[in-house]
Parts: sequence; C-alpha cells; structure tokens
Amino acid sequence: GAVVSQHPSRVICKSGTSVKIECRSLDFQATTMFWYRQFPKQSLMLMATSNEGSKATYEQGVEKDKFLINHASLTLSTLTVTSAHPEDSSFYICSARGWGRPVLDEQYFGPGTRLTVT
Amino acid sequence: GQQLNQSPQSMFIQEGEDVSMNCTSSSIFNTWLWYKQEPGEGPVLLIALYKAGELTSNGRLTAQFGITRKDSFLNISASIPSDVGIYFCAGRTNAGNNRKLIWGLGTSLAVNP
Repeated sequence: GAVVSQHPSRVICKSGTSVKIECRSLDFQATTMFWYRQFPKQSLMLMATSNEGSKATYEQGVEKDKFLINHASLTLSTLTVTSAHPEDSSFYICSARGWGRPVLDEQYFGPGTRLTVT
Repeated sequence: GQQLNQSPQSMFIQEGEDVSMNCTSSSIFNTWLWYKQEPGEGPVLLIALYKAGELTSNGRLTAQFGITRKDSFLNISASIPSDVGIYFCAGRTNAGNNRKLIWGLGTSLAVNP
C-alpha cells in the first residue's frame, strides 16, 4: 500500500515552454500532496503543499504563477512549470499523505521527475 | 528554511559493518522519520517514531526517538551492498493542518563489498 506514481519520469523541454508533471496516489486517497524540488547532492526543498479542492500553499520564495499546482481529486495533483528556463532544471518529487491509519498519515513519495530545460 | 543537523555527511564502510547516523534539532519535534533515497528515485519511508524514547526496528534498521525530543538516531546492522543510498531524517511538530516536514541534509552511505 501507499504507492505514489509520477509522470513523466524524465522530460526535456525548450526554454519558454511549459511542462506538466502528474502525481497520483495509486492505492489510497491523498488528502494532502506535497511538491519538492531537489538539486544534486542536496536535501529536499518543499515548494508547496496542496489539499484536495483547495488552493496550494506555497513556501516563501516559490513563485505561484510560475509553478502552478492543481489538486483536483483525492488521487491526482499536477505541477505545471510555466515558461521554463534552464535554471528550472531540477529533480521534482511529489509526496502524498492520506487520512486514517497512522501508516498513511506520513508522506509517501513518488519516484520523481527529472526536468531538463534547454 | 529550517533544517536539521544530520551527521555524518557521508560514510564509506565495509560490508558487514554496523552503521550509525543521527539527527539533532534546536526545536522539539513530535514525530521523527527516517527515509532512504536511491539515485534517481524518490525517498522511501523506513521508520516512523511518535513517542519520546521510542525504539523501533525494521529488519536490520533500528531508530530511536530521543528523550529530549530534539534528536533521533538510525542504526543499520550488518550492512550489505544494497544499503547504499542517502538516508534522510525528517522531523515534524504536528502543528497546523499541513504537517510539513523539516529535513536533514542527508547521510550518504557507500558499502564496499
């Protein structure tokens, strides 16, 4: 249980284009999903938290107009990087937590999406 | 943002050796978590700790929630090559509805067969 998928696993896009990353909880309902960014050899940096049906809460310094987050259902959240630039190249990871049993009350992570902007 | 002090930063050990790593915080946490991340993958939850003093095992892994609630350690016994990866500690205060995690900087483990 507690499987989270992400799609795509890798994406290369040209500067100025937008990229959408999907995060799905496969075997549980995720009341909250988190989006992280991770640079090589560094820890995870929380970008935003989204609750199903609500607007995402962004961390300080994260541009909400650039990183659009939608959490339309209890199993799907999307992150859209708009007008991507090379400095947006990074490893983006989502996590999800459900409600109920303690084991689902923690964050379970997707496999990540490697974004390269050329 | 706030981060936990995690040490050591990296370890290179021989297969079969035991490993110990720890995390400390200036703040009190109500939950400590340990995750493992392999290259190109997302972190995988290893152990969750919810009570001060709690000692929990998961196979060859053992973690403890410090009595002061400001620290936690993770031990790996009889290491094997597949233990290679980056181990992250994470703490949470449980305040608010979103329950954000505060992360350590990770301990990179290499195991020499």
